[in-house]
Amino acid sequence: DGGITQSPKYLFRKEGQNVTLSCEQNLNHDAMYWYRQDPGQGLRLIYYSQIVNDFQKGDIAEGYSVSREKKESFPLTVTSAQKNPTAFYLCASSITGVHNEQFFGPGTRLTVL
Amino acid sequence: DQQVKQNSPSLSVQEGRISILNCDYTNSMFDYFLWYKKYPAEGPTFLISISSIKDKNEDGRFTVFLNKSAKHLSLHIVPSQPGDSAVYFCAASSLQGAQKLVFGQGTRLTINP
Repeated sequence: DGGITQSPKYLFRKEGQNVTLSCEQNLNHDAMYWYRQDPGQGLRLIYYSQIVNDFQKGDIAEGYSVSREKKESFPLTVTSAQKNPTAFYLCASSITGVHNEQFFGPGTRLTVL
Repeated sequence: DQQVKQNSPSLSVQEGRISILNCDYTNSMFDYFLWYKKYPAEGPTFLISISSIKDKNEDGRFTVFLNKSAKHLSLHIVPSQPGDSAVYFCAASSLQGAQKLVFGQGTRLTINP
């Protein structure tokens, strides 16, 4: 079964700690994305990558970092510099070159205590 | 600067009737539009899309209409079913924007029996 997996589903961290959210896809998609959803708001783009070893900042990249060492994997690190890290984080992937839908993972709910 | 807007936070429709969800955009460079459905604590699921060269696209109970001059699109669901109760997001992209999706804030649709 092809798809996108995110782990864990729920994550709790103490304030001041960095935390890394996992995102893996086996759809053979070149592009991968990280979004954040807050209550009553749409999805906001944090970072995206259109090819391995390359990534760009989205609209709200401050306090986050990513890597893209493998086509299948696009982990997101929420650093202690992120002022409001508690949110629902969604990873997505898509093919590139033509317009196409993005496929989303199930999401990770991060709560910083 | 909200480039994609869904001005109705919620909508309540009786089962069997038509649901109409609306979306407005400001960026004239957008040339591809999508609708996603989202249940709580899950990732969005792609529903239907439309290219700017069309003004209508239909898939089963779902139809999307695009009015480029008004920068407005709408999603029609007919007949509405209880399982359609969810949050619906419209999204837009442009090839110039590296196919990044810009999301609206979402509309919560409730189908009443």
